[in-house]
Amino acid sequence: NAGVMQNPRHLVRRRGQEARLRCSPMKGHSHVYWYRQLPEEGLKFMVYLQKENIIDESGMPKERFSAEFPKEGPSILRIQQVVRGDSAAYFCASSPYTVQGNYGYTFGSGTRLTVV
Amino acid sequence: QQQVKQSPQSLIVQKGGISIINCAYENTAFDYFPWYQQFPGKGPALLIAIRPDVSEKKEGRFTISFNKSAKQFSLHIMDSQPGDSATYFCAAGRGAQKLVFGQGTRLTINP
Repeated sequence: NAGVMQNPRHLVRRRGQEARLRCSPMKGHSHVYWYRQLPEEGLKFMVYLQKENIIDESGMPKERFSAEFPKEGPSILRIQQVVRGDSAAYFCASSPYTVQGNYGYTFGSGTRLTVV
Repeated sequence: QQQVKQSPQSLIVQKGGISIINCAYENTAFDYFPWYQQFPGKGPALLIAIRPDVSEKKEGRFTISFNKSAKQFSLHIMDSQPGDSATYFCAAGRGAQKLVFGQGTRLTINP
């Protein structure tokens, strides 16, 4: 049973380019969460998705950032026109659906984005 | 309301000692309090978690103490080992909603 798979592990983009980060949740997990971690800092929530739905995007910057979790395929976090301040580790977590709610996130190994 | 405050920022403990990390929350609707361990270059890994209907949970050398009235919870690592050196994050959440994380504690265990 593979864990949460994120790719690429490392991504280098020039300022103004687009970055696409992918996340395949654990089998049976229908909830996906994206977090951003700056060096020496904590995990900042970005967006929570279920299949084909954005449930909570309160942590997403209003411009340049978007996320999706299609019916088939991985969840995608897309950053358009990247700037140096976007350099960070981006983590995806997934959680199973239960009647009581969703507990016990499993995190992927992250994508480390460097903007040059 | 959504904040989780974690202390200390960094902690150095001698091998065999007890490591204690504290967290405080504001939102009384939170009903799930996990702790995550993160090694450099890796994703956070769930260590132990507690629900507010119990005051303590122990798993091996790791114990969570929970004080509902004070809105505080803490992680105790008994017999700390060099392999425990990592960054630890507390978090709080409710149902399927996002987990709110503390700022993290960098723990160093000296041999």
